[in-house]
Amino acid sequence: NAGVMQNPRHLVRRRGQEARLRCSPMKGHSHVYWYRQLPEEGLKFMVYLQKENIIDESGMPKERFSAEFPKEGPSILRIQQVVRGDSAAYFCASSPQRSGETQYFGPGTRLLVL
Amino acid sequence: AQTVTQSQPEMSVQEAETVTLSCTYDTSESNYYLFWYKQPPSRQMILVIRQEAYKQQNATENRFSVNFQKAAKSFSLKISDSQLGDTAMYFCACLGSGNTGKLIFGQGTTLQVKP
Repeated sequence: NAGVMQNPRHLVRRRGQEARLRCSPMKGHSHVYWYRQLPEEGLKFMVYLQKENIIDESGMPKERFSAEFPKEGPSILRIQQVVRGDSAAYFCASSPQRSGETQYFGPGTRLLVL
Repeated sequence: AQTVTQSQPEMSVQEAETVTLSCTYDTSESNYYLFWYKQPPSRQMILVIRQEAYKQQNATENRFSVNFQKAAKSFSLKISDSQLGDTAMYFCACLGSGNTGKLIFGQGTTLQVKP
């Protein structure tokens, strides 16, 4: 039973480029969450998605960031025109149908913006 | 709004000894869930233990147990018989029972287990 998959594990981008982070939830999980961890800090919630719907995006920066979870395929976190301050670890988590369930995390994507 | 506070940035313990990590939280939710996650040097986030606020009994998972004091809004983690593999950053987190799905994390406590 595979866990949450994230790719790439490491991503290097130059300022102004686009970053696409992918997340495949655990089998049977239809809820996906994205978190960001800056160096030496805890995780900060960004967005909560179910299939084809954004449920809560209160933690997403207003500009340049977007997320989707299509009917088929992985969830995508997209960062346009990256800046150095976007350098961080981005974690995806998933949970089963019901809210309040334990969230299981993927290994994270380390984004470095040069 | 929910907040989670871990007041111990760093702790150390001798191998085989017991250590307790502190966590306090604040929430307006009537029902909620509390978690401890472990982040070893690999940076993977690993679930250690989960507590449902409506359950009075403290959760236990092998060498890990919690002391859940609902009135005091305290949720400490006790690690018994500490092992070198327990060396990691430990995060306390709170999840409301609504549909938001937003886990609120504390700042983390770095635990060093010494041989």
